[in-house]
Amino acid sequence: DAGVIQSPRHEVTEMGQEVTLRCKPISGHDYLFWYRQTMMRGLELLIYFNNNVPIDDSGMPEDRFSAKMPNASFSTLKIQPSEPRDSAVYFCASSPGSGTGTNEKLFFGSGTQLSVL
Amino acid sequence: AQKITQTQPGMFVQEKEAVTLDCTYDTSDPSYGLFWYKQPSSGEMIFLIYQGSYDQQNATEGRYSLNFQKARKSANLVISASQLGDSAMYFCAMRNGGATNKLIFGTGTLLAVQP
Repeated sequence: DAGVIQSPRHEVTEMGQEVTLRCKPISGHDYLFWYRQTMMRGLELLIYFNNNVPIDDSGMPEDRFSAKMPNASFSTLKIQPSEPRDSAVYFCASSPGSGTGTNEKLFFGSGTQLSVL
Repeated sequence: AQKITQTQPGMFVQEKEAVTLDCTYDTSDPSYGLFWYKQPSSGEMIFLIYQGSYDQQNATEGRYSLNFQKARKSANLVISASQLGDSAMYFCAMRNGGATNKLIFGTGTLLAVQP
């Protein structure tokens, strides 16, 4: 299994530009999560999906952020317009299911290092 | 509301010694899972160990064990026989059962293993 695949690994952009981060979860996983990691705020959950449906987007910072999951094998996180304070590592993660047991375990992608100048 | 607290921002341990990383949690849900992840300087998130709220025994995975004290709402990670490669950031995390299935993380503990 290839694991969770994120692209790009690194993104450098200028303030005001649109940024799109991509994620391919592990096949068969029902849950997909987007996290942001910064030194100041640690690992923050932005949004998560269950069976392609957004369940909780309370962590999305503001309207500039949007996330979609058009099918079970692809998700995007878009920032428009981007700002320097959006600079962070963005992780995508997926899990087989929920309930109890290690089915709850999240598998993480390698992350996207975003720098907004 | 869910909450994870890691009170040790950083710790040192001598190689080959054991170390305990503290984690306390708060939740009103009777069903939950507790996790520890390791993040080395390369940045990837590596799953270490899992403990379910209904598990009777403490979880173990090789050199990792989870000291689960339900009444105290603590889930400390014990690393035995520390190795230089254990130097990393360690995150405690919790995922509730029921309607809320999101995994939330503590602030992490930076562990440095000294030769």
